[in-house]
Amino acid sequence: EVQLVESGGGLVQPGRSLRLSCAASGFIFDDYAMHWVRQAPGKGLEWVSGISWKSDSIGYADSVKGRFTISRDNAKNSLYLQMNSLREEDTALYYCAKGSTIRGVRFYYGMDVWGQGTTVTVSS
Amino acid sequence: SALTQPASVSGSPGQSITISCTGTSSDVGDYNLVSWYQQHPGKAPKLLIFEVNKRPSGVSNRFSGSKSGNTASVTISGLQAEDEADYYCCSYAGSSTLVFGGGTKLTVL
Repeated sequence: EVQLVESGGGLVQPGRSLRLSCAASGFIFDDYAMHWVRQAPGKGLEWVSGISWKSDSIGYADSVKGRFTISRDNAKNSLYLQMNSLREEDTALYYCAKGSTIRGVRFYYGMDVWGQGTTVTVSS
Repeated sequence: SALTQPASVSGSPGQSITISCTGTSSDVGDYNLVSWYQQHPGKAPKLLIFEVNKRPSGVSNRFSGSKSGNTASVTISGLQAEDEADYYCCSYAGSSTLVFGGGTKLTVL
């Protein structure tokens, strides 16, 4: 079964850091782009960051650029999001999502598998 | 900026509805890389359409996608009660970035 399991969320004070992890199973992790998408309480989806299957294309939303860093460890079938200088507006449910196309030439085609998310709350 | 979707649409069972997603010549208009997601309350999003009009295996053929210029659309035919959910479009926006629409709440009357 293809599965993504996020972890690492929690309550953190503004200005502090947090590292999210996403454990993948049931597919060849190396062959797919991966993304982080977040959803603030009662709000819509916001793309946060993505990384191509070869790690040669990495992108960030303007709202997190310079503060968040995405990475992947293919040996561990894991995706990460290092979040620094957290702000209250970063409070959200963070989803890990798998790219839909194997070894895609493009950075993005679709996201066909999603985890259940991990909650990040930034508050003093 | 986020893609523009209507905040809400509604329809009766059996009818067809269309949700639009308007972007710019830098995202929707420039790439055939628009996707649509369905999200039920408390659940993770589900991919319905990718690359404008392709359906993943397992997705009902009642869902179809299209694009004209800077506007993409998803049409749901033969509305069913289970289609009541939030719908989001997403487009590649160049330079390894993506942009989502604000979401549309579909009510089945």
